[in-house]
Amino acid sequence: ETGVTQTPRHLVMGMTNKKSLKCEQHLGHNAMYWYKQSAKKPLELMFVYSLEERVENNSVPSRFSPECPNSSHLFLHLHTLQPEDSALYLCASSQGGQFAPQHFGDGTRLSIL
Amino acid sequence: GQQVMQIPQYQHVQEGEDFTTYCNSSTTLSNIQWYKQRPGGHPVFLIQLVKSGEVKKQKRLTFQFGEAKKNSSLHITATQTTDVGTYFCAGRANSGYALNFGKGTSLLVTP
Repeated sequence: ETGVTQTPRHLVMGMTNKKSLKCEQHLGHNAMYWYKQSAKKPLELMFVYSLEERVENNSVPSRFSPECPNSSHLFLHLHTLQPEDSALYLCASSQGGQFAPQHFGDGTRLSIL
Repeated sequence: GQQVMQIPQYQHVQEGEDFTTYCNSSTTLSNIQWYKQRPGGHPVFLIQLVKSGEVKKQKRLTFQFGEAKKNSSLHITATQTTDVGTYFCAGRANSGYALNFGKGTSLLVTP
């Protein structure tokens, strides 16, 4: 039990599908993040919601769309993804801003057919 | 932009041997964090270093932050099979907006 719960754990989708990843944190933290982890690459920060303000990596394609309805929940909406988007998507949370120690969920393993 | 480089990429040791991974940044860091990810798992926060020249210990693990705050190291004494995993460093540049992770060092320990 990490305190950060991600669903689903595994997802296989076609390039024309629309799906959403969900993350919930039970730690009372005030910042939440989406990361992409691909083989042989560094963890890539996609989006940050910190103190209700969104900060994003400008290199993230628009086919990824985050939503943060409150400080405990974070979604990543996916549409018309590409095969190179197959990866492990990790959600994390922290207290005290985006440079504080981060608590990760177990991730969603995404495969694009 | 800021890059955080880690070496080596892989390390295979016999149980009981020591292990060190190094993290280097192209710019001065305001802090550095270390994480461990077991195979099939998620990154778990180990420690954060903030001060120049800082050294912290956690049992068999010793973490150092360089005097210039551009490099860091993690040293494990007398490795055990439970140390298997990938060790990541993550640093924030003084003017950066996010943590930048290194690619990690994957440690394999054989009995």
